Amino acid sequence: QVQLQESGPGLVKPSETLSLTCTVSGGSISSYHWTWIRQPPGKGLEWIGYIYYSGSTHYNPSLKSRVTMSVDTSENQFSLKLSSVTAADTAVYYCARLTGVGQIGYWGQGTLVTVSS
Amino acid sequence: QSALTQPPSASGSPGQSVTVSCTGTSSDVGAYNYVSWYQQHPGKAPKLMIYEVSKRPSGVPDRFSGSKSGNTASLTVSGLQAEDEADYYCSSYAGSIYYVVFGGGTKLTVL
Repeated sequence: QVQLQESGPGLVKPSETLSLTCTVSGGSISSYHWTWIRQPPGKGLEWIGYIYYSGSTHYNPSLKSRVTMSVDTSENQFSLKLSSVTAADTAVYYCARLTGVGQIGYWGQGTLVTVSS
Repeated sequence: QSALTQPPSASGSPGQSVTVSCTGTSSDVGAYNYVSWYQQHPGKAPKLMIYEVSKRPSGVPDRFSGSKSGNTASLTVSGLQAEDEADYYCSSYAGSIYYVVFGGGTKLTVL
């Protein structure tokens, strides 16, 4: 069974870059699309983007100018960087795997990232 | 691309059926049969309950069913049980630019 685990700082200062890594276990990162979704406290879900194991990416147009995703197949990990963060970027960030078109079948447990000075 | 529209709340008594709607546009829900539904319990990650409008992943009870008509998709939970109390989110493929959009979520209460 595929398992995903997010890791990274839980507190980021305004204007800095949020960096998270997702480690995949129980299966290979190859041949799948991997995605990031976030959820502000008490609010709904927002798709951030996805990355294919080959490195090709597709970002949410509303975040595209600030998002960078990468993949490390040797470590079975993929990563998210979100630059110039503000308090509005405070959220639980989930890494996940696409199991079909727009379909998210495997989720990490999520990690809360707070943007505050 | 706007979020899909869901009612903020829904409720039903144990054993009853409840339906949650998800309204989009002709660019997302109405255009593709790629509507998914997720269940989220407090403090937990979402769980895929329905995909491609009406298909259930392995392990999801057949009490959960999905359908679509025009720009509106629906999730029906039959034979409500206490453990069904959760937030439910719909999503839809929205084309090559926006890829996927989510609904705002519906809090389902089992009375």
